[in-house]
Amino acid sequence: DTGVSQNPRHKITKRGQNVTFRCDPISEHNRLYWYRQTLGQGPEFLTYFQNEAQLEKSRLLSDRFSAERPKGSFSTLEIQRTEQGDSAMYLCASSPFPKTGLRTDTQYFGPGTRLTVL
Amino acid sequence: GQQLNQSPQSMFIQEGEDVSMNCTSSSIFNTWLWYKQDPGEGPVLLIALYKAGELTSNGRLTAQFGITRKDSFLNISASIPSDVGIYFCAGAPGNTPLVFGKGTRLSVIA
Repeated sequence: DTGVSQNPRHKITKRGQNVTFRCDPISEHNRLYWYRQTLGQGPEFLTYFQNEAQLEKSRLLSDRFSAERPKGSFSTLEIQRTEQGDSAMYLCASSPFPKTGLRTDTQYFGPGTRLTVL
Repeated sequence: GQQLNQSPQSMFIQEGEDVSMNCTSSSIFNTWLWYKQDPGEGPVLLIALYKAGELTSNGRLTAQFGITRKDSFLNISASIPSDVGIYFCAGAPGNTPLVFGKGTRLSVIA
């Protein structure tokens, strides 16, 4: 079990550019979540998938943000036309399939991708 | 939306002291989770609580799920320098994403 991995760990981009982040969840976990964290705050929910289906999106997820999980394994989060306000840590988490003995609400986080928009 | 009030915001303690922090909510949660986050890293799960009144330990850490299901606390006994970091509580209202507190920043003075 290698845990949740995220790439890249750091991304610096210029305003107006598009960026894409990748998350690889724990292998047996079928739920995958994206959060955003700004300085001095706790993580804020953006969206989540169960397998390949995107089940919920936060109002924080503007139309410049899109997330995919095409094969129900890794996920990508793309931000188009980045703005300085998008600068944050983007966190991915995963949780196991809902069945006896496993709680779907126990989420395990990756190391995050730190985005800086200049 | 739902909010968690986490206190204190920060703590400065001497090595060896015990620490207590808590979270309260205006609504009921089915699950309480406590995470620790180091600078530049993602949150690491410390303790998960699933039943009202549940008391769970993980080494020097002890956490409890309040009987009203609207609060939880985390205690750290005999603090050591590596306990430094930001501790977050998170609640799951049901089959929905986690809601996080704003964190308690812990500093340990050797």
